[in-house]
Parts: sequence; structure tokens; C-alpha cells
Amino acid sequence: KAGVTQTPRYLIKTRGQQVTLSCSPISGHRSVSWYQQTPGQGLQFLFEYFSETQRNKGNFPGRFSGRQFSNSRSEMNVSTLELGDSALYLCASSLDRGWEDTEAFFGQGTRLTVV
Amino acid sequence: GDSVTQMEGPVTLSEEAFLTINCTYTATGYPSLFWYVQYPGEGLQLLLKATKADDKGSNKGFEATYRKETTSFHLEKGSVQVSDSAVYFCALMRGSTLGRLYFGRGTQLTVWP
Repeated sequence: KAGVTQTPRYLIKTRGQQVTLSCSPISGHRSVSWYQQTPGQGLQFLFEYFSETQRNKGNFPGRFSGRQFSNSRSEMNVSTLELGDSALYLCASSLDRGWEDTEAFFGQGTRLTVV
Repeated sequence: GDSVTQMEGPVTLSEEAFLTINCTYTATGYPSLFWYVQYPGEGLQLLLKATKADDKGSNKGFEATYRKETTSFHLEKGSVQVSDSAVYFCALMRGSTLGRLYFGRGTQLTVWP
């Protein structure tokens, strides 16, 4: 069974540019969530999608957005990149059969460097 | 709001030593609790979980017990190996905010042979 796949693994972008990251969840999983990991702030929740609807949202500016497609694949977009957006972006998927059965499985992440 | 506090380390141990990484949480209701492990250059892997008070999660020799009275979920292992060197994250999830994990800051563990 394939795990959570994130593409690309590495990205280098220039300040002011925009970037799109992709996440393919485990087959059958309808929930996809995104996290930003930095040495200074640790793991911070960005947003979560379930059946193409954003269900939860963290405290990030509107430059960070996402969406989920009918096949549960998800993308996140960051516009007008800033140096501080350099981070490891992690995607997680879960089956979400009920809250006691929920487990999040993580991809390997996309390492974004903004120069 | 919901939060997780864990000892930040780094923790350095000799092989076969006993490991404890403390984790306490603040949350309304009855969250599920998790320990995740992150190896260098990798994403997070679920190590163990517990969904209700007094549950014990266990995996690969690691254990943690959900203690509601002390709001704790401390990770323990009786005899660590060099291959256990990694960063360990404690996390919680509430039923009302499914899909959202609240993480601690992580604890770097290094085991020397």
C-alpha cells in the first residue's frame, strides 16, 4: 500500500514568487492536513481538508491557501514568498472513521527554501 | 487553548539505558494522544497512540500511558538502541477538530554505542 506522497521533495524559490506543493494521500483517505515545520516554531498546523472542504484552519496569513480535489489529492499554495516561509512542509492523510480511530500518516515533506 | 508541552532535550544516552521523555497536555474534553518519531530527512512516523484515560500505547519497546489525572503521556523505553536516535514528538487530537494535531516542540534523542 503506497504511503503519502509529496512532490516535489525540494524547492528553491525567490522572494515574491509563488509556489504550489502537492500531496497524494493514502488510497481511501479523505482527510488531508498540512503542517509547516521550522527550527524556531516547530510543527504548526496550516489547514485540513475533508471531502474537498476546508474543515480546520490554523493561524497563517491569507498568502497560504490550499485545496483538495475529488480524488482527495491536495495542493497548497503560498503566494508572495518571504524568507520566513523557508521550511519543511508536511502533509498528512487519515482515514477518519471516527475520532477514536483517527491516525495521521505523514509524507516525507517538501523542503522549501526561499532566497 | 489546546497545547502540548514536552521536555526539549537534547537527551543523550548510552545504549541499553532507560529512556523517559515527559509530555503533558492541556485540552478540553478527552483528546487522543500520540507519539511520533522523525528520523533525519524524513517525515513523521506514528510510534504509538492512546485514545482514552489509562490506555497504554506500545510499539517497538516504547510505551506511554494516558494519565488524565496528571494530563500526561510520558514516553518510556527500557533499553534504547543506537537506531532509536531521532526526534520524538508528543501530540494530541480532539474529536471536535479532527485532522488537526497539536504538537510539542520535539525532543532530540541521541544514543551512543
